[in-house]
Amino acid sequence: IQMSQSPSSVSASVGDRVTITCRASQGIRSWLSWYLQKPGKAPQLLIYAASSLESGVPLRFSGAGSGTDFTLTISSLQPEDFGTYYCQQGSTFPFTFGPGTKVDI
Amino acid sequence: QVQLQESGPGLVKPSETLSLTCTVSGGSMSNYYWSWVRQPPGKGLEWIGYIYADGYTNYSPSLESRVVMSIDTSKNQFSLKLTSVTAADTALYYCARPKSCTNISCWGLDYWGQGILVTVSS
Repeated sequence: IQMSQSPSSVSASVGDRVTITCRASQGIRSWLSWYLQKPGKAPQLLIYAASSLESGVPLRFSGAGSGTDFTLTISSLQPEDFGTYYCQQGSTFPFTFGPGTKVDI
Repeated sequence: QVQLQESGPGLVKPSETLSLTCTVSGGSMSNYYWSWVRQPPGKGLEWIGYIYADGYTNYSPSLESRVVMSIDTSKNQFSLKLTSVTAADTALYYCARPKSCTNISCWGLDYWGQGILVTVSS
């Protein structure tokens, strides 16, 4: 299953609402996760099951979608939110990641 | 708090075997699908495969012919071997654990090691 993301990069200001889109090449129901990777660090799980917030993740992050189309929304961008965001499908092995969306503050 | 730590050589010669171990602390290895993910420098993420606590494995088709994973729950460790490596296998290798899995699908990876850079070069 191929995963695509748009945009590939985004520059935004603190307080902005940011939305990233992820699309799967075939239906994956809600087996979709979102991660944030900061430079030199392992990815951090933000959202799983398309819309479930991982423990400890701020409420400004939210996920939506099912089937093939998904979104990650940051309601009010904070300085610590910079990095690269990846979506990942866990429906059918091999589990695959999107190419990433780089967010610059 | 579950912690994962990768260990192994940081430099492997072409055509040789890459061997990494992940040590798990702070939790049981039972009932989880322990995974390896890699990331070439400056590129995206690739899920290599996973091994269940009972030894069941599933490997990415693109690497299946060269990958072997094993697990030793008595030592709280699982391992990755990748044979016949080339420069294309140069990457940051992470061990990680999905939140949970059914028999064919998995939720996201909630615990990750810090990663180990493996360079393939003579």
